[in-house]
Amino acid sequence: GNSVTQMEGPVTLSEEAFLTINCTYTATGYPSLFWYVQYPGEGLQLLLKATKADDKGSNKGFEATYRKETTSFHLEKGSVQVSDSAVYFCALSGKGGSEKLVFGKGTKLTVNP
Amino acid sequence: GAGVSQTPSNKVTEKGKYVELRCDPISGHTALYWYRQSLGQGPEFLIYFQGTGAADDSGLPNDRFFAVRPEGSVSTLKIQRTERGDSAVYLCASSHFPGATGNTIYFGEGSWLTVV
Repeated sequence: GNSVTQMEGPVTLSEEAFLTINCTYTATGYPSLFWYVQYPGEGLQLLLKATKADDKGSNKGFEATYRKETTSFHLEKGSVQVSDSAVYFCALSGKGGSEKLVFGKGTKLTVNP
Repeated sequence: GAGVSQTPSNKVTEKGKYVELRCDPISGHTALYWYRQSLGQGPEFLIYFQGTGAADDSGLPNDRFFAVRPEGSVSTLKIQRTERGDSAVYLCASSHFPGATGNTIYFGEGSWLTVV
């Protein structure tokens, strides 16, 4: 079945550091890929998505590229801020049907000033 | 409404009791999902409604869990004979274009259930 493997956390960085959170997936066919973020005390929010190979999703300075050859969708940001502290979830959905999301376990990011 | 609304936000119940969790999706969204998130884990799919019918209930862990959406809007997740292992955050989500590639699913803030 479909699955997502995410880099283990927690991750602690200083402000303005470079961020990478690794995500790889196993799926039949060509899934859509997502990064969701959960800020403290808030619900899950979509951060970015990509629906086909070589697509790049981007939002709020974060980027991730759909790499079919390596089955990966790594999240990157060039310069993190304290306000980026949150839990980040990689997820996929299959084509058609219910499009239910399959999530990774999440990576907690803490950015210190 | 402006977002997915869930009530109660917190519920503490005794082992063996019956619990209902309510979800009010974004207005006009035909698809509604329930997920369960245990501490330190990602959300796990429970059930998906398209309109009034449960189109996919493959994630419900056992027959103590049941969900309804009688009028195609508000949904209720029902848990019978609760067990301590049912303690988790129950997330509701909705979307406008199920079946569309890369369809965005919007989540509520969740109902935190604690079974003591």
